[in-house]
Amino acid sequence: AQKVTQAQTEISVVEKEDVTLDCVYETRDTTYYLFWYKQPPSGELVFLIRRNSFDEQNEISGRYSWNFQKSTSSFNFTITASQVVDSAVYFCALSKGAAGNKLTFGGGTRVLVKP
Amino acid sequence: DSGVTQTPKHLITATGQRVTLRCSPRSGDLSVYWYQQSLDQGLQFLIHYYNGEERAKGNILERFSAQQFPDLHSELNLSSLELGDSALYFCASSVNPSSTSGRSDTQYFGPGTRLTVL
Repeated sequence: AQKVTQAQTEISVVEKEDVTLDCVYETRDTTYYLFWYKQPPSGELVFLIRRNSFDEQNEISGRYSWNFQKSTSSFNFTITASQVVDSAVYFCALSKGAAGNKLTFGGGTRVLVKP
Repeated sequence: DSGVTQTPKHLITATGQRVTLRCSPRSGDLSVYWYQQSLDQGLQFLIHYYNGEERAKGNILERFSAQQFPDLHSELNLSSLELGDSALYFCASSVNPSSTSGRSDTQYFGPGTRLTVL
C-alpha cells in the first residue's frame, strides 16, 4: 500500500523567511510519481509540481524549490522569502506510474505567513 | 483556473436526502476522478472514470455512485446522506490513465463542492 506522511501539521513564519515542508512516502512500486498541491483559503487545489521516480534532479521554480531524495523516500518543498500569499495548506501526493493512478495524499501542512 | 468546473459550489441538505454533484473536465481530458476531503479522513480517492468506463474504485461507500457521460462530464450521486458525509468533494481530470505508457498524467482539480448535511 502507498502512504504519504507530512509530519508537520502547521508552520508559522514571518514574511521573507524561508520555509521547508517535509514529505516522506512509502511505496513498493518502482515507478511512481510525486506531486505537491497547494490549497489556499479559497479551497481549490492547485497543482504545483510533479516528479517521477527516475528523475532525482532537484528543481527550482521562482521562489519554490523541491528536493527529491529516493534514498530517504523524501520529497521536500521549500518556499524562499515567503509572502503572505503563500499562506495555504500544502499537500504532498503519490501515484503509481501505471494505470489506475489515483493520488494518495499526505495529511497536509498548513503554512501561515505573517506580515 | 484549472479548467475543471464543478457545480454546485455549495450544497446544504438534510440527512436521508440524495444529491448529485456535477463535474466537467478540462477540454480534451478523458479521465475524471472524484475525491472527498473531510476533517477526519483528509483527502481520499473515491472513484476514477476513463472515457465513460469505471477504471478504479477507492473508499467509496455503497450509498455513493458515479458515472461519466458521452460528453465526458461526470456526476457523483450521494444518497441516504448522513452527517458524516459533510465534506468537500473534488473532481479532477487528466488526459488518460497511462495504462501502457507508464506515465502518470497530472490531475487538475476543480474548485470543489462543499456539502453540508444537517
